[in-house]
Amino acid sequence: AQKVTQAQTEISVVEKEDVTLDCVYETRDTTYYLFWYKQPPSGELVFLIRRNSFDEQNEISGRYSWNFQKSTSSFNFTITASQVVDSAVYFCALSEAEGDSNYQLIWGAGTKLIIKP
Amino acid sequence: DGGITQSPKYLFRKEGQNVTLSCEQNLNHDAMYWYRQDPGQGLRLIYYSQIVNDFQKGDIAEGYSVSREKKESFPLTVTSAQKNPTAFYLCASSETYQGYTEAFFGQGTRLTVV
Repeated sequence: AQKVTQAQTEISVVEKEDVTLDCVYETRDTTYYLFWYKQPPSGELVFLIRRNSFDEQNEISGRYSWNFQKSTSSFNFTITASQVVDSAVYFCALSEAEGDSNYQLIWGAGTKLIIKP
Repeated sequence: DGGITQSPKYLFRKEGQNVTLSCEQNLNHDAMYWYRQDPGQGLRLIYYSQIVNDFQKGDIAEGYSVSREKKESFPLTVTSAQKNPTAFYLCASSETYQGYTEAFFGQGTRLTVV
């Protein structure tokens, strides 16, 4: 069964601290995609990153970095030198093949990140 | 600007009424989706459409209906059969229904039953 677990319901840190959001997934497929989305208070989800199951290279984009480890089925997200504007709910999601190239996104419950000034 | 527009932002419904949530996209995307979000939970798929004039039930379709008569539009009707409709509803689109394509989201509609 496919599943995405974000065990951290809420994280609160002081600005400029580093923070890591955990994401653990379960899947039987060998081909799958992992995503992170950000949901600011305005409500819409914003795409941050996509990673396919064959690419285990870590990714860095400015203050954001992602650590994909198939051995532990994890796709963790780190924000370096956090800022108040990073405050949001962050979702991890999994997409796998179901039938004939028929993908659906499986979402984690989200982690609410609060950055205090 | 290209994007997804949901309206209204806030909607109040009386018990027993049907209401329709609007979703329009100008991204020329084939696939569109409706999600429901409840506090502390992830997104749950209500309906999706891979192409015009076609749509499929998601995980929680009971009490909802959709149509896809135009590529740009994917309205969601919350019927009186939906027992607990108070929630935040998000519409999304993607270039295709393939799992590698990212989804673009609207700003959501918050529906409250009064």
